[in-house]
Amino acid sequence: EIVLTQSPGTLSLSPGERATLSCRASQSISSTYLAWYQQKPGQAPKLLIYGASSRATGIPDSFSGSGSGTDFTLTISRLEPEDFAVYYCHQYGSSPGTFGPGTKVDIK
Amino acid sequence: QVQLQESGPGLVKPSETLSLTCSVSGGSITSNSYYWGWIRQPPGKGLEWIGTVYYSGYTSYNPSLKSRVTISVDTSKNQFSLKLSSVTAADTAVYYCARHLGGTWRRAFDYWGQGTLVSVSS
Repeated sequence: EIVLTQSPGTLSLSPGERATLSCRASQSISSTYLAWYQQKPGQAPKLLIYGASSRATGIPDSFSGSGSGTDFTLTISRLEPEDFAVYYCHQYGSSPGTFGPGTKVDIK
Repeated sequence: QVQLQESGPGLVKPSETLSLTCSVSGGSITSNSYYWGWIRQPPGKGLEWIGTVYYSGYTSYNPSLKSRVTISVDTSKNQFSLKLSSVTAADTAVYYCARHLGGTWRRAFDYWGQGTLVSVSS
């Protein structure tokens, strides 16, 4: 099973700042099979990025994904008030699909 | 716009079987070769993939749950279902159904149900 580790656990930032979230895999993953989700309290996760760098339908270009091998990054170029949430990475290339523990982005 | 909705008991007794159904609307469960999955999230914790089904009956399960899980599909009702046997308190979680993006299980989940909390308690 591929274990995903996310850092930091919590990121405290102000609106307008740039957020950089990291996801590290215990073994190499094809970039085709790495996604990022946003989850707000009481809501289902929302797909942001798939294939490491492709934005899902309706996701603003302030969200971008990058990376390869074992290291992947989600960048939010300029935080809006609605972007404060928990973010999960997800690998789905190797069964079982696994999720990272999440990074909480909260308001500083 | 595809919509998914979970339904089932919110309380299950220890050692019994948890049963949930996901109703799909806005599209056929057999269209475009989509795969359909179940994911759960214990209160305050992260996400765990439970398993995936295709309308043909193909299934894939998380090995950590495989001995207790059955996922099936009812194309006539445009639904798929989850059964988890011999539940314990550790199975208390919000259970989500979701659709894999594209025609293989090796895809992210693009549409999710709202989730349903299932508590295991006597």
